[in-house]
Amino acid sequence: DAGITQSPRHKVTETGTPVTLRCHQTENHRYMYWYRQDPGHGLRLIHYSYGVKDTDKGEVSDGYSVSRSKTEDFLLTLESATSSQTSVYFCASDTGQGFSGETQYFGPGTRLLVL
Amino acid sequence: DQQVKQNSPSLSVQEGRISILNCDYTNSMFDYFLWYKKYPAEGPTFLISISSIKDKNEDGRFTVFLNKSAKHLSLHIVPSQPGDSAVYFCAASADGSARQLTFGSGTQLTVLP
Repeated sequence: DAGITQSPRHKVTETGTPVTLRCHQTENHRYMYWYRQDPGHGLRLIHYSYGVKDTDKGEVSDGYSVSRSKTEDFLLTLESATSSQTSVYFCASDTGQGFSGETQYFGPGTRLLVL
Repeated sequence: DQQVKQNSPSLSVQEGRISILNCDYTNSMFDYFLWYKKYPAEGPTFLISISSIKDKNEDGRFTVFLNKSAKHLSLHIVPSQPGDSAVYFCAASADGSARQLTFGSGTQLTVLP
């Protein structure tokens, strides 16, 4: 399995406060992703990165921003957290080479509660 | 509008029997499909994949079938084991790779001893 870690693993915060989640991978993967998982919705893509400083929006990007200053780190920021952003957040990565047979590798998740 | 649908939120099966998990998709551009398994408090892990040029792919107890005309894929687990109890997600992409995956909502499989 790819070495992907997420921090923190759990966080409780208050509405209106900024929150940053960190994803770190040791596989030198080019592509990295942030998803949120909510009941009945499965995994929905928030943002992704296809290289250092190269990012793009996913399906549910409103209220979120990302940054990638190094290949191994991908940060997700909630500028002003809202209760609707209470969710489990997963980071993932893959080589980005575009070959069939590839897979994304997921981190263990961050459980965020916004009060 | 969900492009990948898993219409059964849950499935219970007796140990030793076959588990069949289903997934439907609406985007005819999807050409690569994956199944992931997820245990509680862990991230999803890759299980098996299939390219649209095939209609079947096997890996041990796991087989994925793809019916392109029906836009339907299924995951068969034979024989089912209690350790298979997890949430199963199907995912699809339109560029033949694992980039830009669209996920279904998941099916909770419970294998009863």
